[in-house]
Amino acid sequence: DAKTTQPPSMDCAEGRAANLPCNHSTISGNEYVYWYRQIHSQGPQYIIHGLKNNETNEMASLIITEDRKSSTLILPHATLRDTAVYYCIVRVASISGGSNYKLTFGKGTLLTVNP
Amino acid sequence: GAGVSQSPSNKVTEKGKDVELRCDPISGHTALYWYRQSLGQGLEFLIYFQGNSAPDKSGLPSDRFSAERTGGSVSTLTIQRTQQEDSAVYLCASSPTRGSHEQYFGPGTRLTVT
Repeated sequence: DAKTTQPPSMDCAEGRAANLPCNHSTISGNEYVYWYRQIHSQGPQYIIHGLKNNETNEMASLIITEDRKSSTLILPHATLRDTAVYYCIVRVASISGGSNYKLTFGKGTLLTVNP
Repeated sequence: GAGVSQSPSNKVTEKGKDVELRCDPISGHTALYWYRQSLGQGLEFLIYFQGNSAPDKSGLPSDRFSAERTGGSVSTLTIQRTQQEDSAVYLCASSPTRGSHEQYFGPGTRLTVT
């Protein structure tokens, strides 16, 4: 799996957009970008994933640069409940075979949403 | 809809005792995974189930650890003769199929071995 780099922490005001960056300059053509988060004392939560195109779902938007070497997770209107550690993961999709279903997290970004 | 549930939420046990941890995956999900997360550490993969079979047990730390899944649904992780280093949060996740992009996690069981 390609290595990712995330800032260790970020702050955001409640109601504002939270933009979480991730660098993955060694990403391969068949590797996806995944985002999970983990709220304190809870299990990880899948947020979104993408390959090349920008993606949006009910939780967030994922913007991937044209060269795919970096991406940004956007929480459009952050709430206090969005305070969590956010993990950016780059990996081949598990449907590709092997043991790609094994998730591993780096250190992630601790996002603190302030009132 | 109902998510992945795990029980108990907390378990304190004495060194040397056996413990059973339970996972109820999302209904219809064929793939089930066990991980553990030690304090301040990342995820450690333990075992993967597809249906009732476990094609990948490579992450089980020792032969004191075993797991089973019945009826393609509920899974039980058993730790025999627990040791203090087994203390961790044990997380279960499920996904619709092995090839699914997303894994849905339960809240975890916090195991403390005294």
